[in-house]
Parts: sequence; C-alpha cells; structure tokens
Amino acid sequence: DAMVIQNPRYQVTQFGKPVTLSCSQTLNHNVMYWYQQKSSQAPKLLFHYYDKDFNNEADTPDNFQSRRPNTSFCFLDIRSPGLGDAAMYLCATSRVSAGAGNEQFFGPGTRLTVL
Amino acid sequence: AQSVTQLDSQVPVFEEAPVELRCNYSSSVSVYLFWYVQYPNQGLQLLLKYLSGSTLVESINGFEAEFNKSQTSFHLRKPSVHISDTAEYFCAVSDRSGYSTLTFGKGTMLLVSP
Repeated sequence: DAMVIQNPRYQVTQFGKPVTLSCSQTLNHNVMYWYQQKSSQAPKLLFHYYDKDFNNEADTPDNFQSRRPNTSFCFLDIRSPGLGDAAMYLCATSRVSAGAGNEQFFGPGTRLTVL
Repeated sequence: AQSVTQLDSQVPVFEEAPVELRCNYSSSVSVYLFWYVQYPNQGLQLLLKYLSGSTLVESINGFEAEFNKSQTSFHLRKPSVHISDTAEYFCAVSDRSGYSTLTFGKGTMLLVSP
C-alpha cells in the first residue's frame, strides 16, 4: 500500500544532543511537510518542501532544519534539542494539482522525548 | 489568510447518542474544507473533505459534514457514535489556489462512554 512512513516511532535524546527524524513516502507526492504537535494541541507547521523548494514558516526556530535528498525522503534535524522540543513530529505529503484541495496524507508520527 | 475555530475542546457523549462537532472558519477567499481524526499516538487520518459540488459530504464510517457558506461553517455530525469513535478531531481549511498549506483548528476531543 502506498503510504507515509516515519522512523523511528519513538526517539529519546539528551538535552543538546542532535537528533534526526526521517520520513519516506511511496505516494510520489511533490510536497512534503513537517509538523510539530504538542499534547492536546493542533499540529504546527514547521516547514515544507515543494519539490526541491524549501519553505520555512516564519516562527520556526533556527534549531530546526530539514533536508530532502530526493522525492521519497525528507529529514528533520534538531541541532540542539531543548526540553521544550519534546513533542510528536508528524510528516505529511500532498500532490499539488488543480481541484485536489491539498489533501495531506500523514505518517504515524515520531514521539520525541528530551531528557 | 484563513483561521479555523473549534469552540468545543472536549465533547463527552454516551454510546449510540448523536453528536455534532462544530467548526467555523474565516477566509477572504473560497476554501476547501477537511476533517481529520487522530487516535492516540497516531498520525492524522482524513475523515472527509469538501472540495466542490454537494455541500453534504459523508465518510465511510457514518460521519457527515455540511458546508454552509453563509454561516462559514463545516460542522461534523454522526447520528449514533461508538466507543471506537473516541479520538481527537481536527477541522482544517486551505484556500483554492493550486498550492496552499492547511490551517488547522485546535481540535475537539470526542469522548464516548458506555
């Protein structure tokens, strides 16, 4: 089945220790997104790639970076995680086309714990 | 820019009772509308969407939502809920340009008890 895959599902890191979360998709979608979701809150868009074009949200901290080496993969790098970065990180994809309404397909998420 | 308001942060209901989860949006342009459901420790799943055509849209598991342009609403309803419907529900909107990100509401937690 075509899907969005996130690894790992649970990640534990130490305060200040860099961490990378990965996302892959078999949908061949041209847009990939990273969201941060804290407990009982809506997902907050961090950034997204439209093909190779990177789009950063204005309030995304510099501590968060992303890479998209090819259509299928996208990575979220947190350079120096703080306690406030503990959250669920969601990857999503969409195919931009007329009338598609930007329906996004989400992965299962990676829950990040910062000790 | 768009905004989405989900006034109810939590809706408790008994099994087999009807439920309505409210969603209102604000936008200066025409929009697409979505409802997503999130079960604990999982990603979001699309429940239903309004793109065009009939203002009443239905999901495969008995939910429906009606787009009301004059009231700028897209409320989600189900005539008889199950325990398994317990989850967080997010309303979202995007504009009708070819490329637009989603704006989410804050979510409504539906709690179904026996």
